[in-house]
Amino acid sequence: SQTIHQWPATLVQPVGSPLSLECTVEGTSNPNLYWYRQAAGRGLQLLFYSVGIGQISSEVPQNLSASRPQDRQFILSSKKLLLSDSGFYLCAWRGQGSSYNSPLHFGNGTRLTVT
Amino acid sequence: AQSVTQPDIHITVSEGASLELRCNYSYGATPYLFWYVQSPGQGLQLLLKYFSGDTLVQGIKGFEAEFKRSQSSFNLRKPSVHWSDAAEYFCAVASNNAGNMLTFGGGTRLMVKP
Repeated sequence: SQTIHQWPATLVQPVGSPLSLECTVEGTSNPNLYWYRQAAGRGLQLLFYSVGIGQISSEVPQNLSASRPQDRQFILSSKKLLLSDSGFYLCAWRGQGSSYNSPLHFGNGTRLTVT
Repeated sequence: AQSVTQPDIHITVSEGASLELRCNYSYGATPYLFWYVQSPGQGLQLLLKYFSGDTLVQGIKGFEAEFKRSQSSFNLRKPSVHWSDAAEYFCAVASNNAGNMLTFGGGTRLMVKP
């Protein structure tokens, strides 16, 4: 069966420090991968998605970047964190070739607090 | 562009009472709709989905949702709420664009009184 892992679960970082959040999927090949952010009291905002290795699409301009160095690995990064980057970051996947009406499968999230 | 609105940010119900969470969507074609639940500090779990056919959809944990095209709504219901249902609920619509991402509503936080 397919599983998705995110780490770390929680992270406290000072303003201006770098960031690297990792997400991996097991049990499937060539998935579509997504990074969402959930700010306090707000809904989910799509940040990036990837349909293949090295293919990254950004939905909103911001202080973050994403990379997909391997088929089932999706990394969210920042060179210098801002206070506004605090939030709950969720990675999700969907099977490659799945109909667009197939659901997303989410990881357990990373709680990032920038101080 | 598609959008989803969940008018109620917070809802409090008593345990055993019925529940209805509202969701309104805006989408140019036939919508594909989802409800997800998020327990505190956790990821999102799919409750149910609507693609076509019967407009009353059954999901896990005793939840159901009804699609009403004339009202552009997809409200989530449960006849009798349990304390363990306290969580945040998200409605989402699928879009047939590059990446096939979901657009989520702002969420409704459900609190259950004993």
